[in-house]
Order: sequence, then structure tokens, then C-alpha cells
Amino acid sequence: GIQVEQSPPDLILQEGANSTLRCNFSDSVNNLQWFHQNPWGQPINLFYIPSGTKQNGRLSATTVATERYSLLYISSSQTTDSGVYFCAVDDYGQNFVFGPGTRLSVLP
Amino acid sequence: DTGVSQDPRHKITKRGQNVTFRCDPISEHNRLYWYRQTLGQGPEFLTYFQNEAQLEKSRLLSDRFSAERPKGSFSTLEIQRTEQGDSAMYLCASSFPTGELFFGEGSRLTVL
Repeated sequence: GIQVEQSPPDLILQEGANSTLRCNFSDSVNNLQWFHQNPWGQPINLFYIPSGTKQNGRLSATTVATERYSLLYISSSQTTDSGVYFCAVDDYGQNFVFGPGTRLSVLP
Repeated sequence: DTGVSQDPRHKITKRGQNVTFRCDPISEHNRLYWYRQTLGQGPEFLTYFQNEAQLEKSRLLSDRFSAERPKGSFSTLEIQRTEQGDSAMYLCASSFPTGELFFGEGSRLTVL
């Protein structure tokens, strides 16, 4: 089945810093989503982005499907951005496969 | 309520007992997914339904696990003869076909 890798696995930032999270996938995908999850909470949708670029406030995402990667940009990070960021891909198998996540800690 | 709801939110049971979780998806969504998540890991796919048809099951879903979606609306996930290794968060999500996944708050299972 499709393999999903995310980097870095852990990231510590000072409040106000910018960051880029990466998701690589091993095969063609039909869909790709980025999620944010706080401890003990459920994954929350950030972007549904099978291709192209989208922006939502301080967050933006770009997926280059032909090169099998997606990037999530966080600008001017805040402590509330802390948590785990997952990308999930649908490889035409009709279910979403999740990557291992990037654990982000934003320090005040 | 426009979100995915799950019940119960927390369940503590003794090894060997049966447990059942319920998921009510977003009403317009015809796809419903079950995932399992353990601490520090990403969600692992268990099974999904399109309307009332169960279209795919992960090999993670042993014979002790069964899921139903009898009328294409809510779904139940039953675990028989629970084991300590079944302790996890069980997440339900719904979507339109090839659409965005929306997750419920999850049902946390602790098997003693």
C-alpha cells in the first residue's frame, strides 16, 4: 500500500517563528488532507488539497502531486499552534492513510 | 448539530467483556469511516461504509471486531472479548465520496 512520510518528526519553535512541515507519499493520490490534533482531541481539518496551493490566515499548504509531496507553512506561530500535524492521503483505495505526524511545540 | 458525534466518549471495561461504540455522521455524508489511534501514533484505518455497504476492512479488524451501518445513517463498532491491546481511541469520520474527512471527538476505550 501507499507509504506516507512526514518530516520533521518533532519541531520546537519560539512564538512568532515560521515553519514548514513536509509530507511525502509513495504513489499517486486522489486526495490529500492536513489535520491538526491536540492531546486528547480529534484531528481537525486544516486543508483539503489534492493539488495546488491554499491559504487560510497564517497557514498555507501546497501540494505538488506530480512530485508526490505536500508542504504546510505556518507563519508567525502561536502557542495555540502546538500539537500534532498529520497529512492523510487517499490513494484511490477509497480510504485515507495517515502519516506518522509532526509534533510541534511553540514556546512563549 | 452539524458535526460527527460519538458515544460513549469514554469506556472502561474488564478484559473479556464486549463493548459497542456508536457514531452518528454528518447527515448529508454517505461515507463513514472507523479509525483507531493509540498514543503517539497516527490514526489507523479500520473500515469504511458507503451508505449501508461495508466496502473495505483493514486486516487490523480481527474477527472480534464487527461494524455495521444498517440504514446508511449511524454506525456501530463492536469489540467482542476485549483484550488489553484493544485500549485506544476509536475515531469515526464521515465524508462525501472523495471528499474531506470530518472526525468525531472519539470514544476512548480502556481495557483493564
